[in-house]
Amino acid sequence: ETGVTQSPTHLIKTRGQQVTLRCSSQSGHNTVSWYQQALGQGPQFIFQYYREEENGRGNFPPRFSGLQFPNYSSELNVNALELDDSALYLCASSMTENTEAFFGQGTRLTVV
Amino acid sequence: AQSVSQHNHHVILSEAASLELGCNYSYGGTVNLFWYVQYPGQHLQLLLKYFSGDPLVKGIKGFEAEFIKSKFSFNLRKPSVQWSDTAEYFCAVGSGRFGAGTRLTVKP
Repeated sequence: ETGVTQSPTHLIKTRGQQVTLRCSSQSGHNTVSWYQQALGQGPQFIFQYYREEENGRGNFPPRFSGLQFPNYSSELNVNALELDDSALYLCASSMTENTEAFFGQGTRLTVV
Repeated sequence: AQSVSQHNHHVILSEAASLELGCNYSYGGTVNLFWYVQYPGQHLQLLLKYFSGDPLVKGIKGFEAEFIKSKFSFNLRKPSVQWSDTAEYFCAVGSGRFGAGTRLTVKP
């Protein structure tokens, strides 16, 4: 049991809509990272939050944004959804930005 | 920019065969290296990690990996695979950079 929980587990949205995905980090972890995993691909780093501040960002457009709250839970927001945004979105928490990550089960987003 | 390369996309082995999965990274500074495994229907979990010290690290389920700094490599090995090792294996640098993954299929 990793202790990282994500909600919802599945989601279907229409192109152009906005979506918010949520993640509760493991107790004692102050770093949260978000990844996009397309079918047959490895996780692609979206961004990382450390103590409520963005601490690194991958090659994703600004319509991908996030928040980390004082309790270290986190949200991923995606605006103006595109069909290619369909993927598994993974959240991982860690004690620092460079230690092992503990993953949640992911949110499967389908954009139609 | 940091990058991680896994050379084998899909590896098929028979039970008891030896396994080696390649991983190369590009990053000039001090790195922490990881191998994660994703069994069918399960979430990613840590297999082993290297932070410093002995470059040969041992993980769960008989897996080990060797860090070779001069080659920027961190290859995963197992002397004798089992059917239950069928999974997707990901090499990672720090907590943000993952390779594309290697799918391992072990035939009984």
